Amino acid sequence: SQQGEEDPQALSIQEGENATMNCSYKTSINNLQWYRQNSGRGLVHLILIRSNEREKHSGRLRVTLDTSKKSSSLLITASRAADTASYFCAPAGNMLTFGGGTRLMVKP
Amino acid sequence: GAGVSQSPRYKVAKRGQDVALRCDPISGHVSLFWYQQALGQGPEFLTYFQNEAQLDKSGLPSDRFFAERPEGSVSTLKIQRTQQEDSAVYLCASSLAGGTKGEKLFFGSGTQLSVL
Repeated sequence: SQQGEEDPQALSIQEGENATMNCSYKTSINNLQWYRQNSGRGLVHLILIRSNEREKHSGRLRVTLDTSKKSSSLLITASRAADTASYFCAPAGNMLTFGGGTRLMVKP
Repeated sequence: GAGVSQSPRYKVAKRGQDVALRCDPISGHVSLFWYQQALGQGPEFLTYFQNEAQLDKSGLPSDRFFAERPEGSVSTLKIQRTQQEDSAVYLCASSLAGGTKGEKLFFGSGTQLSVL
């Protein structure tokens, strides 16, 4: 299956701490994307990292990709209560598919 | 439009009823996807359109599910003879380019379907 599997399934941290979420996948990819979903809303694209890239930054987000290990990580630095959401990785091969997500709670 | 629009936002159906869910993608977007999301789970792929052509319907769970996009813009997902297990959020997404090589997707807010 192409879909990613996120780890941990749930994460609870204090505001100001960093949050790290991991993703593993099984087959070759063109790119890997991370999405965020607030409760009751659709998914919002956060960042895309191509298969020939190893690291990418966007604001407080840092994504890494290790194609040899078929894994990626998403780091959110200096977390805020507003970062509370579910985060999904989407390895992109022939179709964009999603895992079960990591539910992040940031306590004020 | 400014974003992907889905209607209705909520739908309650009695078991056995037919329902139709609408998706208005971003104007000019070639690709359109439907996903089903059960409570606490990630979105599961249902079907994919490139313009008006339905190129992949491998995720549709049964022949009670039918999707169309006749003019390559608005899409409708129809579920016939709804069952309780159809209760979920149905998400529509669109992307600018054709093809399925991992383009960035823009999602609507979804239709929450409850079958009683």
